[in-house]
Amino acid sequence: DIVMTQTPLSSPVTLGQPASISCRSSQSLVHSDGNTYLSWLQQRPGQPPRLLIYKLSNRFSGVPDRFSGSGAGTDFTLIISRVEAEDVGVYYCTQATQFPYTFGQGTKLEIK
Amino acid sequence: QMQLQESGPGLVKPLETLSLTCTVSGDSISSSSHYWVWIRQPPGKGLEWIGSIYYSGRTYYNPSLKSRVTISVDTSKNQFSLKLSSVTVADTAVYYCAKLTISAPPARGYFDSWGQGTLVTVSS
Repeated sequence: DIVMTQTPLSSPVTLGQPASISCRSSQSLVHSDGNTYLSWLQQRPGQPPRLLIYKLSNRFSGVPDRFSGSGAGTDFTLIISRVEAEDVGVYYCTQATQFPYTFGQGTKLEIK
Repeated sequence: QMQLQESGPGLVKPLETLSLTCTVSGDSISSSSHYWVWIRQPPGKGLEWIGSIYYSGRTYYNPSLKSRVTISVDTSKNQFSLKLSSVTVADTAVYYCAKLTISAPPARGYFDSWGQGTLVTVSS
């Protein structure tokens, strides 16, 4: 199985400041079709996960443009350019390049 | 707007079979663009993919659960279901159904819609 490792596990951030979450996979997530099936999910307290970014860097419908995804191969980053109060929650990276699909442990974003 | 809704018992005894159903509304489960997925989350922990099913009945399962899992689809009711046999306390979790939109075969894509989740507790 591909192991997804996120850092940090907890990230206190000041409102209006940027936040960055890293995700590293134990194997390359580049599929034979050339795509990288790496997604980012947000889970607000008491809510189901919500898709933010898919295929490495594509922002899902309705997701604010302060969220962006980047990376290549085995190293990926989610950046929130200016954190807002509604961004509090846990963020997960997940891969669908290889079965079984796997998830990172989650990074808890909280406001300082 | 499509919605997914999980239903089923919230309490299951050890060694019995957990059974859940996901009802899809606002979209056809027979869409060629999607797989239908079960994912679980133990209390306070991370996410685990259980398995996926296509409208044709084609399934993919997590090898860690494969011997105990059956996922089926009922296109006439726009539903898909999960059965997990011989449950233990370790199977206590919030169970989510979700939609995976296919970017490339087989089943490469992303989870773009989720149900609210249902807590299943395994206890005698």
